[in-house]
Amino acid sequence: QKEVEQNSGPLSVPEGAIASLNCTYSDRGSQSFFWYRQYSGKSPELIMSIYSNGDKEDGRFTAQLNKASQYVSLLIRDSQPSDSATYLCAVNENTGFQKLVFGTGTRLLVSP
Amino acid sequence: SQTIHQWPATLVQPVGSPLSLECTVEGTSNPNLYWYRQAAGRGLQLLFYSVGIGQISSEVPQNLSASRPQDRQFILSSKKLLLSDSGFYLCAWSGTGYYGYTFGSGTRLTVV
Repeated sequence: QKEVEQNSGPLSVPEGAIASLNCTYSDRGSQSFFWYRQYSGKSPELIMSIYSNGDKEDGRFTAQLNKASQYVSLLIRDSQPSDSATYLCAVNENTGFQKLVFGTGTRLLVSP
Repeated sequence: SQTIHQWPATLVQPVGSPLSLECTVEGTSNPNLYWYRQAAGRGLQLLFYSVGIGQISSEVPQNLSASRPQDRQFILSSKKLLLSDSGFYLCAWSGTGYYGYTFGSGTRLTVV
């Protein structure tokens, strides 16, 4: 059974700080990785994707991938109260077909 | 642009009643379609996925079934609901390649 592990949190950070969210995965053959944001009662929204080792930046968000360590992270700079949500890590199974395995999510709380 | 529609938004059904949830995608052809369930406080569980009309793969044995009668229509059904079927049901679509999913707005089902 392929697994994606995340700390459930909550991760509490003050407004303006950097939030660091982490994820590990079990399938060494996985090639594509995603971060989704889910507000309470809403459906998940794709915010970042990463496919190769290193960093990928998009505005205040940076995704980091280390395939050797089977580790993905998401950094949120200048955190805002509106960033308070659950962040889901998703990893594509190495099956030749796009089928994502999701972690249970980390709840982020940004205090004003 | 592509859009995904899912309805109804909320549903309260008695135990033993039937279920039909519908999902349609616009603006794309031959999408991959998925049904996920998110139980309260838990992660996303893949229920069914489909790569084409009439092609359904089941991930978890249960009293639910899925059908894809048209290219951009995906239906989740049950003949007799159980209390354990309560949850947040999410339809998603993806194209070819590994670019992540787009989710519909979800259906919150409560079985009473």
